[in-house]
Amino acid sequence: GDSVTQTEGQVTVSESKSLIINCTYSATSIGYPNLFWYVRYPGEGLQLLLKVITAGQKGSSRGFEATYNKEATSFHLQKASVQESDSAVYYCALNTNTGKLTFGDGTVLTVKP
Amino acid sequence: GPKVLQIPSHQIIDMGQMVTLNCDPVSNHLYFYWYKQILGQQMEFLVNFYNGKVMEKSKLFKDQFSVERPDGSYFTLKIQPTALEDSAVYFCASSFLLNQAPLFGEGTRLSVL
Repeated sequence: GDSVTQTEGQVTVSESKSLIINCTYSATSIGYPNLFWYVRYPGEGLQLLLKVITAGQKGSSRGFEATYNKEATSFHLQKASVQESDSAVYYCALNTNTGKLTFGDGTVLTVKP
Repeated sequence: GPKVLQIPSHQIIDMGQMVTLNCDPVSNHLYFYWYKQILGQQMEFLVNFYNGKVMEKSKLFKDQFSVERPDGSYFTLKIQPTALEDSAVYFCASSFLLNQAPLFGEGTRLSVL
């Protein structure tokens, strides 16, 4: 079946430093799935951060970027300069032509002031 | 913006009882989903629903589970009877298009004692 792997369960970064959260995927049911990053801020529900549906394209939102790399089957999330308000849980996900989302385990980001 | 509302936020019941989790999806959305997340584990797909029918269900969607959306009202997940392993947070989601990133509710924490 489909799977999403986030290698870091927890990441701690100092404010204004750069960030990368790794995500790789395997989509057995379809060649090129749609890829997403969702975020859950403390006390809030899960919300979409960004999405990319075309291989080779980059998505961006709130200073975060992720590029759909079909050769490496990766969709890493990056930000050049994090803020304390970015502290949250980040989930990488893919969906296929059935609409079903497959999530990674999530990465808890803590930004230290 | 539009929201998916889940009622209640926390429900406690005794094993063997029936429980109904309610979801008020975005009004013009056509596709509806339930996901399950056990504490410390991955968020996993249970079922999706369109035009009054289940489109796809996972192996987690046991025979004791059922979904419906009578007359365009709440989208419900019923578990009858409940088991201890049903304790989890259940997330409802909805989308207008099949491959669109669904909008998630904040979840209902179900505790089966």
